[in-house]
Amino acid sequence: EVDLVESGGGLVQPGRSLRLSCTASGLTFEDYALSWFRQAPGKGLEWVGFIRSKAYGAGEAIQYAASVQGRVTISRDDSKSTAYLQMNSLKTEDTAVYYCTRSGDDYNFWLDSWGQGALVTVSS
Amino acid sequence: DIVVTQSPDSLAVSLGERATINCKSSQSVLLRSSSKNYLAWYQQKPGQPPKLLIYWASTRESGVPDRFSGSGSGTDFTLTISTLQAEDVAVYYCQQYYLAPLTFGGGTKVEIK
Repeated sequence: EVDLVESGGGLVQPGRSLRLSCTASGLTFEDYALSWFRQAPGKGLEWVGFIRSKAYGAGEAIQYAASVQGRVTISRDDSKSTAYLQMNSLKTEDTAVYYCTRSGDDYNFWLDSWGQGALVTVSS
Repeated sequence: DIVVTQSPDSLAVSLGERATINCKSSQSVLLRSSSKNYLAWYQQKPGQPPKLLIYWASTRESGVPDRFSGSGSGTDFTLTISTLQAEDVAVYYCQQYYLAPLTFGGGTKVEIK
């Protein structure tokens, strides 16, 4: 069974940075694309970005939503079965539960496994 | 960006009755070379992450009860719950994965009448 566990959430002041981690088990981590989504309180689902597997190659391997482009970096460490979401210059509107997900494969982004989510609250 | 619109926003259905949720994309999500529609459906219960129900518009994920079915092609899609059970109370989302940015509909809340 695939298990994805997010960590690193919490309360952070506007303008500060935060890094979320997503540690996976029950899968060959290096074979899969990982995506981050978020859900503001009482709202719908928003894609943040994804990182494809190294087998995909360099072109368009990492993509971000326009709403976070330039403030967010997604990376992965296959040796640790962990993906990261580095968020900088946080705004109050970044307050949300952040989910790590596994995609069908590098090309087909249905999300068949989701973590339980990490709550990020941006407030002074 | 592909805009995905769901209707209705909410619906109340009696136990054992049919529930139908509609999803419309602003452009076709059908890849003609493969005849596949790049659309998925999810169920989200309170306090839980979403759960994948359907992908390729009509392929049921392993373990999903067969009362859930997806249909449609191009820009218009439907999720049908054939006989509503109490445990089906949730918010349902459709999502297109034809193009980045990946986008979701606004969700449909299903309740018991």
